[in-house]
Order: sequence, then C-alpha cells, then structure tokens
Amino acid sequence: TQLLEQSPQFLSIQEGENLTVYCNSSSVFSSLQWYRQEPGEGPVLLVTVVTGGEVKKLKRLTFQFGDARKDSSLHITAAQPGDTGLYLCAGDSSNTGKLIFGQGTTLQVKP
Amino acid sequence: NAGVMQNPRHLVRRRGQEARLRCSPMKGHSHVYWYRQLPEEGLKFMVYLQKENIIDESGMPKERFSAEFPKEGPSILRIQQVVRGDSAAYFCASSLQGGSSGNTIYFGEGSWLTVV
Repeated sequence: TQLLEQSPQFLSIQEGENLTVYCNSSSVFSSLQWYRQEPGEGPVLLVTVVTGGEVKKLKRLTFQFGDARKDSSLHITAAQPGDTGLYLCAGDSSNTGKLIFGQGTTLQVKP
Repeated sequence: NAGVMQNPRHLVRRRGQEARLRCSPMKGHSHVYWYRQLPEEGLKFMVYLQKENIIDESGMPKERFSAEFPKEGPSILRIQQVVRGDSAAYFCASSLQGGSSGNTIYFGEGSWLTVV
C-alpha cells in the first residue's frame, strides 16, 4: 500500500514567520501535486511537480520535488493570515490521475 | 474549482435509502475521478472513469457502491442501502487527459452525504 506521510499535521504560527511542510513516501511518484482546501469546499490545485529536483515558486510559496521523486516540501515565506487553511500533498505513481493523498497539514497564521 | 459541478452539495438520507451523487466534468473533459473524504481522514481514491468505461475501481467498496459515466450526461456515484459509515464528503474531479504529469486535475466542491 502506497502512503504519503505529511508533516506536521498541525501548525500554528505568527504572521511573518516562515514554515515548511513535508510530504514523504517510500514510493516513487510520476508527479506530485499540492492542494489547498478550505472548509466545505473542494481541493484547489496550487502546483504540480514532475521532474526530480524540480523547484517551483508561486509568490511566497516554494515547492520542491525530491531528486528521487519520493518526497516533496512546501515552504511559505513571511506567512500571512490569508495563508490559513488545509494543505494537501498528493502523488500519482502510475500517471493515471489516481492520486494518493497525504493526511494534510492544518495551518493557522495568527495576526 | 470552477467548471466541475457536483450536485447535490448536501444530501441527507436515512439508513437503507439510496444516495445518488452527480458530477458534470469541466467542458471537454472525458476523464472523471471520484474521491471520498471521511471525517478526520484524508481523501481516498474510489474510481476512475472515462466515457462509458470504468478504468480503475480499486478504491470502491465491494458492495452497495457503483459508478457510471454515460456517453451523455453526468457521472453518477450511486450508494445503495446507505449506512451511517457512508457519511462523508464525496469529491469528483476531472481532467482533459488521463494522468497528472503535465495534466491538471480539477476538483469539484464536493457533495456532503449525511446518513441519519
């Protein structure tokens, strides 16, 4: 059974601080996605990483895919209250769109 | 999320009744996926369909659950004789092509099923 271990599960920080969320697996993925989900809504795609070692930036968010394509990280610089939410990583090992989701990281940014 | 339409958004059923959840994929998308999010758990894959075909149903419970994606009309996730453990959020997603490498998978806003 393929698993994606996401950590930390909960994170509460002050506005302006930096943070990193990790997503780890023993399996190789053809691609890995990061989503953000608000209460009562569906996941919204933030980024897809495909190539080992790839780094993508989305404003204050930096996403990295491990060289072996087994792990990924999301780094947020100078977090803002608007960043509060549930962050999910999801891997696709067979390139069929069948995604394995991590348990999610609930982020709270206090003003 | 814009484009993948799910209905109903909220559904209440008594134990033993049937639940039908509908999903209209984004325009032009022929690949549909259903996921379930149980309370306090992550999203779990249920089934992957293309028009008129079930490609992968490895995540579907063996009994009471079925899915279809007809040539015309929305994809339907059907749950017969619902039990309280079926209470969850059911998400539909669609993509233009199969797979996620270089291909965006869009999620709908979900259908929340409550079994009383």
